Amino acid sequence: DIQMTQSPSSLSASVGDRVSITCRASQSISNYLNWYQQKPGKAPNLLINAASSLQSGVPSRFSGSGSGTDFTLTITSLQPEDFATYYCQQSYNTPPYTFGQGTKLEIK
Amino acid sequence: QVQLVESGGGLVKPGGSLRLSCAASGFTFSDYYMTWIRQAPGKGLEWVSYISRSGSPTYYADSVKGRFTISRDNANNSLYLQMNSLRAEDTAVYYCARRVSAYNSFDPWGQGTLVTVSS
Repeated sequence: DIQMTQSPSSLSASVGDRVSITCRASQSISNYLNWYQQKPGKAPNLLINAASSLQSGVPSRFSGSGSGTDFTLTITSLQPEDFATYYCQQSYNTPPYTFGQGTKLEIK
Repeated sequence: QVQLVESGGGLVKPGGSLRLSCAASGFTFSDYYMTWIRQAPGKGLEWVSYISRSGSPTYYADSVKGRFTISRDNANNSLYLQMNSLRAEDTAVYYCARRVSAYNSFDPWGQGTLVTVSS
């Protein structure tokens, strides 16, 4: 099975900062990589699929990049509502579709 | 609007069984692959199971293979997860979600239903 290593596990930042979260796959997954945001007590919400395709309604300060084994989620100009936990998920070929361990983004 | 609503969670003893349901509305249910994903308290997301539009094929995480069965009723816009031989480590919020692209991304997710396995 493909393993996903997400880093950092937690991140402290201020409103207006630019932050990046990385995700590494244990083998090449092309661009079969999705990013989700989860706020406390809520279900996850899809932000980006296919590594870099922003979902409708997601602010343009979110962006995704990468291909193969290394991927990055970048948030420019952090807003108060962006403080949440972020997960990557590989969706290459047939299941299992594994998630990264998550990155908790906290206010500094 | 597109909506998924899970039900059927609760407290069950180790070794017991539970059947989760997911009611879909706002879209043509039979057109979409569906999945179950769980989240243990304070932990990350774990993909559990996946079912095609017709009901076959199905896929399972190794942690639940042989104990859980995913199924669907396209006539009634419903997804199910039959969980047998439950263990303490199955305690989690269980979410159903819809596959929305060829990249196997999931959107939306239901609100989740809590399953607690404890004596």
